[in-house]
Amino acid sequence: QKEVEQNSGPLSVPEGAIASLNCTYSDRGSQSFFWYRQYSGKSPELIMFIYSNGDKEDGRFTAQLNKASQYVSLLIRDSQPSDSATYLCAVLKTSYDKVIFGPGTSLSVIP
Amino acid sequence: ETGVTQSPTHLIKTRGQQVTLRCSSQSGHNTVSWYQQALGQGPQFIFQYYREEENGRGNFPPRFSGLQFPNYSSELNVNALELDDSALYLCASSLADRGQETQYFGPGTRLLVL
Repeated sequence: QKEVEQNSGPLSVPEGAIASLNCTYSDRGSQSFFWYRQYSGKSPELIMFIYSNGDKEDGRFTAQLNKASQYVSLLIRDSQPSDSATYLCAVLKTSYDKVIFGPGTSLSVIP
Repeated sequence: ETGVTQSPTHLIKTRGQQVTLRCSSQSGHNTVSWYQQALGQGPQFIFQYYREEENGRGNFPPRFSGLQFPNYSSELNVNALELDDSALYLCASSLADRGQETQYFGPGTRLLVL
């Protein structure tokens, strides 16, 4: 089992719709969870982080964490073509402070 | 644009050669992490440096080594290059006491091994 798994996609949504990106992780002791956006040919950019169970909202982005299910998601409301990118889920393993990235989900927002 | 810079931007080497990649961290950041990102995959943690010492390492062989300097800049050295070392190498700087939420990536160095 991979440590961090994401649907590889590509995920296509129409402009204005809600995009839902999912991530599962295997280490039950993980404490910190991050979502990065990576445009083609560019480096990752941190867009959200979440530490506690529940929802965390920042503008059009909402991160959801369920530690019991070892599941973290990212919702993008009112999706725009500029949101088209690869979204990387990352998990911080407290024991070694080694950040584990998932393979990423490619999102395409269709005008 | 973050304040993290990397050089060179692109590099072509042949199998067996050695390469040194450089990273300057964002002002005020004291921790530098290096990642390898193969095409179509997420970044893989190589190692992290704090106060000029290695502070955590991923599953990479010893031919991957690094340095951090007093000004917090860093180098990644790879010896005996293999074809599978072809990837985007990312440097990220952060504040040790604030962790990943302060982590900013540089633009990366794209390495091609022939």
